[in-house]
Amino acid sequence: GDSVTQMEGPVTLSEEAFLTINCTYTATGYPSLFWYVQYPGEGLQLLLKATKADDKGSNKGFEATYRKETTSFHLEKGSVQVSDSAVYFCALSDISGGSNYKLTFGKGTLLTVNP
Amino acid sequence: GAGVSQSPRYKVAKRGQDVALRCDPISGHVSLFWYQQALGQGPEFLTYFQNEAQLDKSGLPSDRFFAERPEGSVSTLKIQRTQQEDSAVYLCASSLLGHLMNTEAFFGQGTRLTVV
Repeated sequence: GDSVTQMEGPVTLSEEAFLTINCTYTATGYPSLFWYVQYPGEGLQLLLKATKADDKGSNKGFEATYRKETTSFHLEKGSVQVSDSAVYFCALSDISGGSNYKLTFGKGTLLTVNP
Repeated sequence: GAGVSQSPRYKVAKRGQDVALRCDPISGHVSLFWYQQALGQGPEFLTYFQNEAQLDKSGLPSDRFFAERPEGSVSTLKIQRTQQEDSAVYLCASSLLGHLMNTEAFFGQGTRLTVV
C-alpha cells in the first residue's frame, strides 16, 4: 500500500538557518504530493503541493520538488524564522484506483526555531 | 469564521461510553473527510462523504465507529462503547471537490478524545 516516510524529529534550528526535512514515498500509482503544516493550537494547513514529476511546489519561502526517480519530496527553506516553528507533515494522494480523495500522511516532523 | 469547525474541542469519556463528534464543514463544500491522529503519528484516513453519500468507509477501525452526513452538510462521527485505544485527535476536513489534485482539503482543529 501507499506510505510516506519522513525524517525523525524534533529538529531545532537557529533563526536564519537552512532547513531540510526529508520525505520519501511509496505508491502503487502516480501520486500528488503535499506538505501540510500545523502551527501550535491550529488545524492542518496546506503549505505546498506538486502533482507531477519535476514540479516544484513553493509557498512562504518553502520549496519542494517532486522527484519520481528517487520517490522523494524534500522540504527546504533557505532562512527559517521563529514563526516557522510548527509540525510539518508530508502526504500523498494516489490518483490511481479511484482513491484520489484520500491523503496518506507521514508521522510529522516537529521544527523549533530559536531566536 | 469561515473555516471547518469541530466540537467539542476536548472530550473525556469513560471506557464503554458512547461519544459523538461534530463537524461543520465550509459552506458549499461537497466533500467531507474524517481522519484519526494518534499521539506522535500522522493523521490516518477514516471515511469520506460526497454530499450525503458515504463513498468510502474503509478506514473505520471497527464496527463501533459510525459516521453520517444526512443533509450533505454537518457530519457526526459516533464511537460506541469507547475503548482506550480510541484515544486520539479526530480531524475533519472539507473540500470543494473530491479529488485533491485541483482542490484543497481544509482541516478543522480537531477533537481530542481521551478514554479513561
